[in-house]
Amino acid sequence: DTGVSQDPRHKITKRGQNVTFRCDPISEHNRLYWYRQTLGQGPEFLTYFQNEAQLEKSRLLSDRFSAERPKGSFSTLEIQRTEQGDSAMYLCASSQRDRGQNTEAFFGQGTRLTVV
Amino acid sequence: QQQVKQSPQSLIVQKGGIPIINCAYENTAFDYFPWYQQFPGKGPALLIAIRPDVSEKKEGRFTISFNKSAKQFSLHIMDSQPGDSATYFCAARSTTGNQFYFGTGTSLTVIP
Repeated sequence: DTGVSQDPRHKITKRGQNVTFRCDPISEHNRLYWYRQTLGQGPEFLTYFQNEAQLEKSRLLSDRFSAERPKGSFSTLEIQRTEQGDSAMYLCASSQRDRGQNTEAFFGQGTRLTVV
Repeated sequence: QQQVKQSPQSLIVQKGGIPIINCAYENTAFDYFPWYQQFPGKGPALLIAIRPDVSEKKEGRFTISFNKSAKQFSLHIMDSQPGDSATYFCAARSTTGNQFYFGTGTSLTVIP
C-alpha cells in the first residue's frame, strides 16, 4: 500500500446526474477525511470518519452529499442531482489516531469533477 | 471565516533564492502545522510539519519557523530550484484531529 488511492481521477457529468467517488485510505489508518478544492483555493473540509463512524460534517455538505465508510476501510462520496457549482477537485485524506495521538494526514490525488 | 491566513498569494524567485511563505492563525486549539506542496492536477503532498512546542524544524532544503506567541509560522525554501515551482499550502489541525484548516495557497515560480 503506497498511499491514498482515489477513483476515478476525472469525472464529467451532466447537471442533475448522480456521481459516486471512491477512496481507499492507507491500510492502517483509521481516520478518513473528505475535502473539496476549487481552483485557486485551499482544500475545504467536508467530513471525516473514525473507522466506520462519520463523526463530523461541514455545513458545506448539503443534503445532496452523502458519504459512507461501511467497513471502516474504503469510503464513498455520492453527490446527487449534481449542479455546476459542484465542479471541483474532491480530495480524500487519511491519518491514524492511536492512544490520543494523531499522525500526519496524507492526501490522495483527488477526483476532478466537472458538471456540464 | 478564514482560520489560517497565508501570504503572499504568489511569489517569483530566481534559482538559488530563498522564498518565504507566511501563515498566521487565530485559534489556539491547533496542535499541528503542516505544509503541503501541490502540483497542477495532483493532490497535496505533505512536505514538512511542526508542533507548537518547537520553534524551528528543518528537513533538507525546507525549514519551518514557528512563533507561538505571535501565532505565526513560515516556510523557507533554501537554494530553490525550478522543480520547486508549485502551490504551497499551510494548514493547522484542530487538537481533536477532526479537521485541517488550510490557507489559500501561494503559487511559487522559480526562474532558472
